[in-house]
Amino acid sequence: GENVEQHPSTLSVQEGDSAVIKCTYSDSASNYFPWYKQELGKRPQLIIDIRSNVGEKKDQRIAVTLNKTAKHFSLHITETQPEDSAVYFCAASNDYKLSFGAGTTVTVRA
Amino acid sequence: EAGVAQSPRYKIIEKRQSVAFWCNPISGHATLYWYQQILGQGPKLLIQFQNNGVVDDSQLPKDRFSAERLKGVDSTLKIQPAKLEDSAVYLCASSLRFRGGGYEQYFGPGTRLTVT
Repeated sequence: GENVEQHPSTLSVQEGDSAVIKCTYSDSASNYFPWYKQELGKRPQLIIDIRSNVGEKKDQRIAVTLNKTAKHFSLHITETQPEDSAVYFCAASNDYKLSFGAGTTVTVRA
Repeated sequence: EAGVAQSPRYKIIEKRQSVAFWCNPISGHATLYWYQQILGQGPKLLIQFQNNGVVDDSQLPKDRFSAERLKGVDSTLKIQPAKLEDSAVYLCASSLRFRGGGYEQYFGPGTRLTVT
């Protein structure tokens, strides 16, 4: 089955700086890569996703890049704000089954 | 649009007892998922339904866990008997479909289960 590895497990950044989270996947058939944000005690919320026919996607301060050859994808958050503090999960799907990474706890320091 | 609904939000039981969780997906979503999220980990898929049929239950501990989705809408997940290691948040999610696009998954608030 699919194996998704996510790094780092924790990330502390100064407000206004950028944050980068990286994930690798094992199944070359995976074609859909969503990112979820989970605040403490709340449900995971989809923040951005990318499909295998696209190399990069941006939405305001967040962007995701995908390298299919290397089987890795990354989340980039620019101009971080305190409300960006949360756990972020990457996931990979082979068209029907989502496999999640272990999560990255992001703390934005004021 | 209304989101995915789950109940109860919290449940505390003793080991060897049974428990059931309920999920109502977003209207019109054909695919429903149950995940187990242990503290500090990512969600792990337990079972996936397409309408009222099972697509994947390969990671469901079938000796103690069961799930059904009668009429292809609401779903229940049951644990009987519970073990200490079942303590986790049980998340329900739904998507329009699971192939050919439209498979963005939307999560419910979860049920936090504590087994003592």
